[in-house]
Amino acid sequence: AQRVTQPEKLLSVFKGAPVELKCNYSYSGSPELFWYVQYSRQRLQLLLRHISRESIKGFTADLNKGETSFHLKKPFAQEEDSAMYYCALSGLTGGGNKLTFGTGTQLKVEL
Amino acid sequence: EPEVTQTPSHQVTQMGQEVILRCVPISNHLYFYWYRQILGQKVEFLVSFYNNEISEKSEIFDDQFSVERPDGSNFTLKIRSTKLEDSAMYFCASRQDSGETQYFGPGTRLLVL
Repeated sequence: AQRVTQPEKLLSVFKGAPVELKCNYSYSGSPELFWYVQYSRQRLQLLLRHISRESIKGFTADLNKGETSFHLKKPFAQEEDSAMYYCALSGLTGGGNKLTFGTGTQLKVEL
Repeated sequence: EPEVTQTPSHQVTQMGQEVILRCVPISNHLYFYWYRQILGQKVEFLVSFYNNEISEKSEIFDDQFSVERPDGSNFTLKIRSTKLEDSAMYFCASRQDSGETQYFGPGTRLLVL
């Protein structure tokens, strides 16, 4: 079974502070991990995926297979980073490639 | 940049009524999905669709649900007899090919009274 855990419902940081949004997963095969972001009243948007190893808007995430984690990090939070962040997993087996989402973490960046 | 679109944005219906939620995936995409998010809960997978057939469905996707691609552009989710617990935000998503990113629509907020 696929499972994604995001332990924090809400994370509040000050502008300029480092951010780490935690994500742990459970999957028996080779997973693909994603971070999606949802800004207020907007659609879910892909922020980054572990396969591409890109840094988007200053965010990075490293897949740690030993700890089964895919934490999202940013060294200096900006006000515009305030949003809902979802970690998601897709199995690389089967044709459907459904996404399994965590419960999400609301990031609030305060001035 | 092409986007997934969904109509309507909001729908209110009476319990027991049929609803059809519509999605227009990105035009060259081949894989289509429906997800839902009950208020305060996580986004949950409902069904995936490829090559004009369901490729995977969750336990939520029971006989009351069906999907269809009636023409070359639309992808619909039908709920035959809505229940109160069907109230949720329903998201459509599509992706171009195997392993590619899923792109989400803005969602349809369904309220069953």
